Amino acid sequence: NAGVTQTPKFRILKIGQSMTLQCAQDMNHNYMYWYRQDPGMGLKLIYYSVGAGITDKGEVPNGYNVSRSTTEDFPLRLELAAPSQTSVYFCASSRRQGALFYNEQFFGPGTRLTVL
Amino acid sequence: QKEVEQNSGPLSVPEGAIASLNCTYSDRGSQSFFWYRQYSGKSPELIMFIYSNGDKEDGRFTAQLNKASQYVSLLIRDSQPSDSATYLCAVHNYGQNFVFGPGTRLSVLP
Repeated sequence: NAGVTQTPKFRILKIGQSMTLQCAQDMNHNYMYWYRQDPGMGLKLIYYSVGAGITDKGEVPNGYNVSRSTTEDFPLRLELAAPSQTSVYFCASSRRQGALFYNEQFFGPGTRLTVL
Repeated sequence: QKEVEQNSGPLSVPEGAIASLNCTYSDRGSQSFFWYRQYSGKSPELIMFIYSNGDKEDGRFTAQLNKASQYVSLLIRDSQPSDSATYLCAVHNYGQNFVFGPGTRLSVLP
């Protein structure tokens, strides 16, 4: 299994440009997440999905959009990039287990985005 | 706003010592607790998770949970230079999302 994969690894955008960060997992996980991590900070949830066709906002969704047409893929779209979106973006997935507890989250390698 | 706080770093310990990492959380309904290790420039990887009050040991790592005090800790025994990383505490409540703390950077000195 490849686990969680993300592309690209690095990207530089100009202000106002748009791009899509790709994320895929081959573990048949229902749950997928997008986080951003600013230098020296923890992870902030942008969007999440509990299954194909179902997405919801996290803590910091402004300036981003997502879709989940398949179980495997969960792309993150940045519209009108701004310097405040300079960050490292991590995609993660998890498999719900049992009635109360979630399994661990598996993280992709991250995408380092700079907006100039 | 649900919050997770961790002891501010960086934390420096000599090789072979015990490193103690602390985490407090605001959501009293939180049910599962995770410790992730993140090397510089890499993605987080799970070290331990704990659901019940008390201690849970896995090799050199021990997680301790006290729900009454809303406190979870991670002890690393016989610390090695390879343990030098940022440690993230994550807290989860059923039906809600994970909340991560800001992380504590640990440096193990040879």
